[in-house]
Amino acid sequence: GESVGLHLPTLSVQEGDNSIINCAYSNSASDYFIWYKQESGKGPQFIIDIRSNMDKRQGQRVTVLLNKTVKHLSLQIAATQPGDSAVYFCAENSGKLIFGQGTTLQVKP
Amino acid sequence: DAGVIQSPRHEVTEMGQEVTLRCKPISGHDYLFWYRQTMMRGLELLIYFNNNVPIDDSGMPEDRFSAKMPNASFSTLKIQPSEPRDSAVYFCASSSVSLSTDTQYFGPGTRLTVL
Repeated sequence: GESVGLHLPTLSVQEGDNSIINCAYSNSASDYFIWYKQESGKGPQFIIDIRSNMDKRQGQRVTVLLNKTVKHLSLQIAATQPGDSAVYFCAENSGKLIFGQGTTLQVKP
Repeated sequence: DAGVIQSPRHEVTEMGQEVTLRCKPISGHDYLFWYRQTMMRGLELLIYFNNNVPIDDSGMPEDRFSAKMPNASFSTLKIQPSEPRDSAVYFCASSSVSLSTDTQYFGPGTRLTVL
């Protein structure tokens, strides 16, 4: 069945370091993937997306990598800042949005 | 644009009472989604509308849950009667035009507590 899962529930990094959050998906027919950031008490907020015809997309301090061969998605955050502390969800959209369980990113000052 | 607007932000009610959650999507968005978030189950899609018409309600847990979208700028999610296990954060989201190629924008959520 469809499932999107995250490898690590919590990631702790030092301020200024790079962060990598990983995600596995199972529906090979999914053609669109999204990363969301959710801060405490708020709704998920769009960070970056990528379509299945791409393997990399860059935004401001963030990069998403897509490996369709192994059905793996990652989010890289450069120079992690305290404001990046949140729960990060990957989601696949193949007709409806299916979210992974989320990874908590903790940034240590 | 103010983004997706949800009300109330917090709701505390007693078991058996009717609860109505409200959502105003982003103007011009054709799709509206209702999600539920719990620690145990994460984010779950309950139902979504396209042009005010319910398209997929397979995520609605049971008949106690109902959703309506009387016009393009308003939707409700109703629980009657409410039960303690309905306690969760309920999110409304909207997106434009294409379901598969456009991201969804989420509201701030309604935190529901059923005692």
